[in-house]
Amino acid sequence: SQQGEEDPQALSIQEGENATMNCSYKTSINNLQWYRQNSGRGLVHLILIRSNEREKHSGRLRVTLDTSKKSSSLLITASRAADTASYFCATVGQGAQKLVFGQGTRLTINP
Amino acid sequence: GAGVSQSPRYKVAKRGQDVALRCDPISGHVSLFWYQQALGQGPEFLTYFQNEAQLDKSGLPSDRFFAERPEGSVSTLKIQRTQQEDSAVYLCASSLEGRNTGELFFGEGSRLTVL
Repeated sequence: SQQGEEDPQALSIQEGENATMNCSYKTSINNLQWYRQNSGRGLVHLILIRSNEREKHSGRLRVTLDTSKKSSSLLITASRAADTASYFCATVGQGAQKLVFGQGTRLTINP
Repeated sequence: GAGVSQSPRYKVAKRGQDVALRCDPISGHVSLFWYQQALGQGPEFLTYFQNEAQLDKSGLPSDRFFAERPEGSVSTLKIQRTQQEDSAVYLCASSLEGRNTGELFFGEGSRLTVL
């Protein structure tokens, strides 16, 4: 069963624009992570935000976490064609060990 | 090796055949996870090992699925009497930590097609 739900399911933007993806989840979490998956490949970890953090940056990535709304967002600034991929949020519940993934957002960057 | 290695990358099986999928995690990583990913979907949890102990197998869809990690390193996911609904990509991931799951390192996956 999926814990997170990403929104939108698909997003297509022009190169150079910013891309925002949202994730909602259902239960209390220890941390929330974002992963990228290029077509036919494995998942690559992007960023981890803990339940006591509200915002985190890594290069062109900005992640926010609102535990009161049980939601997170991933912002990719100044998008590039190479950012075309599926993006998944995943949560680790309190006291849990496994990562539970959402359905993902398919991002297409048009040159 | 430098990353998580999975083999075979592609496997075609006739319905009813048994298959075995192998995962070589990053050396020294304590935790190992198996996920199943259907086309266009997110990965679904199958099972989790901490060293050689299988601590959670709640995601295994049926008793045809079996996983082991006998020496706390290499893991094998075995599927007996494969069915068409078993067609998916099987992803293995490892993590350095034994508790409070942090970043997972994924392999490229084994794509299983059952005819």
